[in-house]
Amino acid sequence: DVKVTQSSRYLVKRTGEKVFLECVQDMDHENMFWYRQDPGLGLRLIYFSYDVKMKEKGDIPEGYSVSREKKERFSLILESASTNQTSMYLCASSFGTLRGQYFGPGTRLTVT
Amino acid sequence: DQQVKQNSPSLSVQEGRISILNCDYTNSMFDYFLWYKKYPAEGPTFLISISSIKDKNEDGRFTVFLNKSAKHLSLHIVPSQPGDSAVYFCAASGKSGGSNYKLTFGKGTLLTVNP
Repeated sequence: DVKVTQSSRYLVKRTGEKVFLECVQDMDHENMFWYRQDPGLGLRLIYFSYDVKMKEKGDIPEGYSVSREKKERFSLILESASTNQTSMYLCASSFGTLRGQYFGPGTRLTVT
Repeated sequence: DQQVKQNSPSLSVQEGRISILNCDYTNSMFDYFLWYKKYPAEGPTFLISISSIKDKNEDGRFTVFLNKSAKHLSLHIVPSQPGDSAVYFCAASGKSGGSNYKLTFGKGTLLTVNP
């Protein structure tokens, strides 16, 4: 079974703090993704990576950066958290050109 | 520009009856479609998919229909069970600047199956 884990289920941070969200997958998948989910807006792609040290912007990259130093780990970084980044953050991975993505349990981030 | 649309935010059905969730798309480059199910406080889980070369795919109680000319797909759940109550997301994928493994998601439909 594919397992995608995220470092925290719930996180509370203050405005202006630097925030790291970590994601690890154990199935040697090439592709990894970060989404945010907001009520009424569905899942929106922030960034994705198709190889180590490679990254591409998704639909809403502003205010975020990512890091992929190892194949199994993909980090999302909020350089200076703002209240409009309060959201559910979901990490996913997929294998090669297969379209199906496996999701982690999500991190509920609250920025106060 | 919303490329994948789920126009019904919610749907309520009786246990044992059929649930039909609908999804429309605008991008003719999409060639693969998926349905995900999401319970609160959990990540989405893959349910069923269909390639654009097919018009139907069935897996147990779940069937996805694709009408390419109308750019429309639907998910049928028969019979519906209370455990099916969740948010259902439609997603689409296609070649886009070489990154053909991105998924574009709809906003989701909350299905409630009443006992």
